[in-house]
Amino acid sequence: NAGVTQTPKFQVLKTGQSMTLQCAQDMNHNSMYWYRQDPGMGLRLIYYSASEGTTDKGEVPNGYNVSRLNKREFSLRLESAAPSQTSVYFCASRLPQDRVSDTQYFGPGTRLTVL
Amino acid sequence: TQLLEQSPQFLSIQEGENLTVYCNSSSVFSSLQWYRQEPGEGPVLLVTVVTGGEVKKLKRLTFQFGDARKDSSLHITAAQPGDTGLYLCAGALPGSARQLTFGSGTQLTVLP
Repeated sequence: NAGVTQTPKFQVLKTGQSMTLQCAQDMNHNSMYWYRQDPGMGLRLIYYSASEGTTDKGEVPNGYNVSRLNKREFSLRLESAAPSQTSVYFCASRLPQDRVSDTQYFGPGTRLTVL
Repeated sequence: TQLLEQSPQFLSIQEGENLTVYCNSSSVFSSLQWYRQEPGEGPVLLVTVVTGGEVKKLKRLTFQFGDARKDSSLHITAAQPGDTGLYLCAGALPGSARQLTFGSGTQLTVLP
């Protein structure tokens, strides 16, 4: 039981390049999330998926696209990377019940640098 | 401006000291969670508080949810070097149980 896994762990891109960050969970969770973490800003929600086949924008969706490939996998794509997207990206998943006390489980993060 | 303001942003103390971290907002939350994050890892949930005025204890850590459900505090008694980390509060707004709003975090360093 690996929990939430993310690949790659580190990535360096040049401005304008594209890439996809991969996330998978093996806990049979319905909801999955993508966050970015910047110094002094906490975590900000980029996109989330409440269930397979649905995705919704979060607080900072511009410049990103997502795909909920199946119940396990939720990918984040940067079509044309910009230096402002330099950040640490976290994927998370959540227990099936929509209770306010439910826990989000986080992956180890992807550290992305855009030059 | 962040919906959840945490203070202090940085805190460096000696082993054995007590400390309190605050999480404040002008908005009402259905629940408030506290996470701890270590370098190179994702946040890990410490506690969830749901009822206004609720107090929860986790060994040397005491968490309190404000009566009006707009603020929360984390108190650590006799801090140890193992408590070092980034502490994040996160709230669920009413009607948005699926989403969390995070505070900016408090970086705690406990010196031996």
